[in-house]
Amino acid sequence: EVQLVETGGGLVQPGGSLRLSCATSRFTLSNYWMSWVRQAPGKGLEWVANINQDGSDKLYVDSVKGRFAISRDNAKNSVYLQMNSLRPEDTAVYYCARDPDYLDAFDIWGQGTMVTVSS
Amino acid sequence: SYELTQPPSVSVSPGQTVSITCSGDKLGDGYASWYQQRPGQSPVLVIYQDGKRPSGIPERFSGSNSGNTATLTISGTQAMDEADYYCQAWDSRTVVFGGGTKLTVL
Repeated sequence: EVQLVETGGGLVQPGGSLRLSCATSRFTLSNYWMSWVRQAPGKGLEWVANINQDGSDKLYVDSVKGRFAISRDNAKNSVYLQMNSLRPEDTAVYYCARDPDYLDAFDIWGQGTMVTVSS
Repeated sequence: SYELTQPPSVSVSPGQTVSITCSGDKLGDGYASWYQQRPGQSPVLVIYQDGKRPSGIPERFSGSNSGNTATLTISGTQAMDEADYYCQAWDSRTVVFGGGTKLTVL
């Protein structure tokens, strides 16, 4: 079964950093764009960032530009989200999602990892 | 920035048909997708490219997209369809989600 498993969430103080990981299995990661999508408690979905197949193209939502960095290691079947200068409004469940360019949609989602930014 | 607007809530009786709308400027010029999210679970893709169903999604789910409005229709709604539904589209290579619609099956 195709699977995405996110890890790395936790409690961090404002201004701190966290690195999220998304471990993928049962598909060839190098064939797909990948995205991070977040959901604040009781709120809707918000796309955060995506990265193309070889990591040469990355896009971000305006609110995280300059603070977050998406990356990938196809040999390790993993995608990452480095989050710096965290703010309370970054508190959310962060989902990793597969983004096949032939679908124009996110067809596989992980279970999510919770990030809480609070003092 | 581009916005997609959905009604906050919709209700339906079991066995009936319900439609959930998603509005955005010239939305019909591109593709719209829909996701179902049950409480405490991750989103699931139910419609992509306006009206296509992924493998495993029941035929009672259908979609359309024209002009400024995309629509998700559920025919013969079942209790298990009670969930939040989100539309999604692309804007200049970035992704936009609607605010979500809570579907209640009464």
